[in-house]
Amino acid sequence: DAGITQSPRYKITETGRQVTLMCHQTWSHSYMFWYRQDLGHGLRLIYYSAAADITDKGEVPDGYVVSRSKTENFPLTLESATRSQTSVYFCAVGQGSSYNSPLHFGNGTRLTVT
Amino acid sequence: KQEVTQIPAALSVPEGENLVLNCSFTDSAIYNLQWFRQDPGKGLTSLLLIQSSQREQTSGRLNASLDKSSGRSTLYIAASQPGDSATYLCAVKSYIPTFGRGTSLIVHP
Repeated sequence: DAGITQSPRYKITETGRQVTLMCHQTWSHSYMFWYRQDLGHGLRLIYYSAAADITDKGEVPDGYVVSRSKTENFPLTLESATRSQTSVYFCAVGQGSSYNSPLHFGNGTRLTVT
Repeated sequence: KQEVTQIPAALSVPEGENLVLNCSFTDSAIYNLQWFRQDPGKGLTSLLLIQSSQREQTSGRLNASLDKSSGRSTLYIAASQPGDSATYLCAVKSYIPTFGRGTSLIVHP
């Protein structure tokens, strides 16, 4: 969907490297979310943001860092990648200004850590 | 902590059957509940959103109901088709949006 762009679509990196996954929305909606999806665990929230410069931890934040200097962008950084961070990462946007707004997802980034 | 459970985990049915997928949650203090579809290797596509004040929503052959007090939602799929084959996920938005692990549906011709 053109509204949310995740990049890259696929990434292979080595253990210990820093990796940044990008998420960009063409709207200016307030809420943005990062999830990881793994077999056996489903979708788990890593971090979310209610507005520029406001971020908060989700269920599994350890090993990840986020920032949101602009409303449209919400990058997720793995400071020192580990094999356990091999996963599919999804960015989601709340389509509206309130927390009640429906979630809309990007196409995901498949990350492999070797 | 909100816990979301989806039953059954997998379902295989012949074309034409009417289906009921279940989603239960432990904390009834929710903002809304959203149903998604996910095809293999793809992202999530929103199907229906039910706000906490609503009882049901309909879109085409899909109907979703919400009973907040009992912590349950059902997704009803009428006259299933092979193109309905996918994983169906429910997301409960309370403090944070929490997902169930999904129901994997196969509709065979």
